[in-house]
Amino acid sequence: AQSVTQLDSHVSVSEGTPVLLRCNYSSSYSPSLFWYVQHPNKGLQLLLKYTSAATLVKGINGFEAEFKKSETSFHLTKPSAHMSDAAEYFCVVSDPPGSGGYNKLIFGAGTRLAVHP
Amino acid sequence: DAGVTQSPTHLIKTRGQQVTLRCSPKSGHDTVSWYQQALGQGPQFIFQYYEEEERQRGNFPDRFSGHQFPNYSSELNVNALLLGDSALYLCASSPPGQGSYEQYFGPGTRLTVT
Repeated sequence: AQSVTQLDSHVSVSEGTPVLLRCNYSSSYSPSLFWYVQHPNKGLQLLLKYTSAATLVKGINGFEAEFKKSETSFHLTKPSAHMSDAAEYFCVVSDPPGSGGYNKLIFGAGTRLAVHP
Repeated sequence: DAGVTQSPTHLIKTRGQQVTLRCSPKSGHDTVSWYQQALGQGPQFIFQYYEEEERQRGNFPDRFSGHQFPNYSSELNVNALLLGDSALYLCASSPPGQGSYEQYFGPGTRLTVT
């Protein structure tokens, strides 16, 4: 079965400094991986996705993530944090077509990112 | 182009009651998934509807049921409400053939059970 572990429940950075949100996954297949962001009182927005193409994935708002199969990791990074990045971030796994886990997203517990002036 | 819409925004129910939540998918999307997000947790997959049938289901009891209409909109029904059913219920829609690759989420319905 698939699972996702987000290694930090809270991350606090200063504006203009790098962001690193860590995620490890478990899957019996070659999964698809996603990062979603959830701002207060708003729906989930897809930041980026990995679906077995390039291992370095670029997303919206300057975020990127690198798929490392040997480490079963999919960490999210951004070179310079902005105040508007403060939100809850979810790492998500889904198994490929033909597997029992296809079509459903398995979410991690989330990492709350705080950005200080 | 309207995104995924859900109604109502907020709902308060009493234990033992029944509730129906509604979702309209993004234009052109034919698949609807439902998720439950308890406070401080990540969303959990409830089930997915495609061609008016439940295609896949997560680990939720039979008290949770759903329906998809010919226009692709969907309802989530919860019977015999428990305090633990209090959560944000999220609906997500997908375009044809995309499954989990492209899921667009609505703003959610906040259900409080007292």
